[in-house]
Amino acid sequence: QSALTQPPSVSGSPGQSVTISCTGTSSDVGGYNRVSWYQQPPGTAPKLMIYEVSNRPSGVPDRFSGSKSGNTASLTISGLQAEDEADYYCSSYTSSNSYVFGTGTKVTVL
Amino acid sequence: EVQLAESGGGLVQPGRSLRLSCAASGFTFDDYAMYWVRRSPGKGLEWVSGISWNGGIIGYADSVKGRFTISRDNAKNSLYLQMNSLRIEDTALYYCAKETLKYTSTWYHFDYWGQGTLVTVSS
Repeated sequence: QSALTQPPSVSGSPGQSVTISCTGTSSDVGGYNRVSWYQQPPGTAPKLMIYEVSNRPSGVPDRFSGSKSGNTASLTISGLQAEDEADYYCSSYTSSNSYVFGTGTKVTVL
Repeated sequence: EVQLAESGGGLVQPGRSLRLSCAASGFTFDDYAMYWVRRSPGKGLEWVSGISWNGGIIGYADSVKGRFTISRDNAKNSLYLQMNSLRIEDTALYYCAKETLKYTSTWYHFDYWGQGTLVTVSS
């Protein structure tokens, strides 16, 4: 299984919006609405931020939103804050009953 | 409070074996699928394996298929990963993670993670 493709890094100033793309295939992202996004600050365990493309678990700020079009999913962080600085990973179920993560994106708050 | 505590990591030579354990508490363990996910130094997350709530459905990443075996003991609220024929590229921090939904036979998303146990494969 090949990792989903994400940009290595994105950056923005506090208050700005950033969007992270996640590109897969029709066998994963495009074939299922089981796209999730995880946030991993340095030295900590990953945290679920978005599930099933666009749903937020309780406790996750509504600044975080997700969407999908075809084989590409996106995570948007609106009103960027210093605490949002972390690595972000998309993920998806796959047609071979496995699971795949994205290559990861480092979000930097300028 | 949900807690997942991994153990069993360490330094091991290539070709040798290691068994990881994950002790779960704070939820009804046998209602949920469980997973192992790893992060290699300087790299991203990689899904390693998953096991359904009753152990009937199991999946592996191609990179570990035939070498790693996932299992669970619902009576002991524990998840395991038997790792054989270890390779240098298996060096990583191994996380145990819990499925969000109950009684799933395929994989959805992970709402709780442990802090990880470090496996280093080196001669």
